[in-house]
Amino acid sequence: QSVLTQPPSASGTPGQRVTISCSGSSSNIGSNYVHWYQQLPGTAPKLLIYRNNQRPSGVPDRFSGSKSGTSASLAISGLRSEDETDYYCVAWDDILSGMVFGGGTKLTVL
Amino acid sequence: EVHLVESGGGLVQPGGSLRLSCAASGFTFSNFAMNWVRQAPGKGLEWVSYVSSYSTTIYHADSVKGRFTISRDNAKDSLDLQVNSLRDEDTAVYYCARDLHGTYDGSNYYPGAFDIWGQGIMVTVSS
Repeated sequence: QSVLTQPPSASGTPGQRVTISCSGSSSNIGSNYVHWYQQLPGTAPKLLIYRNNQRPSGVPDRFSGSKSGTSASLAISGLRSEDETDYYCVAWDDILSGMVFGGGTKLTVL
Repeated sequence: EVHLVESGGGLVQPGGSLRLSCAASGFTFSNFAMNWVRQAPGKGLEWVSYVSSYSTTIYHADSVKGRFTISRDNAKDSLDLQVNSLRDEDTAVYYCARDLHGTYDGSNYYPGAFDIWGQGIMVTVSS
């Protein structure tokens, strides 16, 4: 059972906009930054969004992040087939004194 | 080019020990905090440990506290994870990851995002 809750799956059609949610509590998302990762099969995760809504250089602006209260979201617009993979959120938890990941969301492009 | 390369993994019996290492290159290692993150086969990501740039702040996940120890040698641009009393559930790919934009509250440092990752090293705990 992950401390941060993500839907196990999400889907969309090419060109569509999809969002992936990440729900936590006041001790993690509610008081700390949220970061998002993309992980292609058999490879190391890649940083997509840091500090809630910042994109590292090289990440397309199709990817965006937001946070409100104890929840965060990753939005992907102009969905492409290569976006079909796993996505994870993570945040620091003040009570656990550790980083806590969501369980991951597998995105399918129909 | 920035690189992180893990080594030291392998097959170990329950209760055994290993020392994982991560060699850094292409950046000033002492300027960055570092982390270990693991992923069990077919499962999600799990953060394991954090060490600040000069080792003044260290955190371990509750699941490994007392059994795993993170350390670093800035002179050698290397990060280690000593893993003891291994259990079946420690079987995973272990990644080292560079820390980006962590925070500081005047006493302790806190992890930020993990911007650079190694390729990962497999640790299998089995009899």
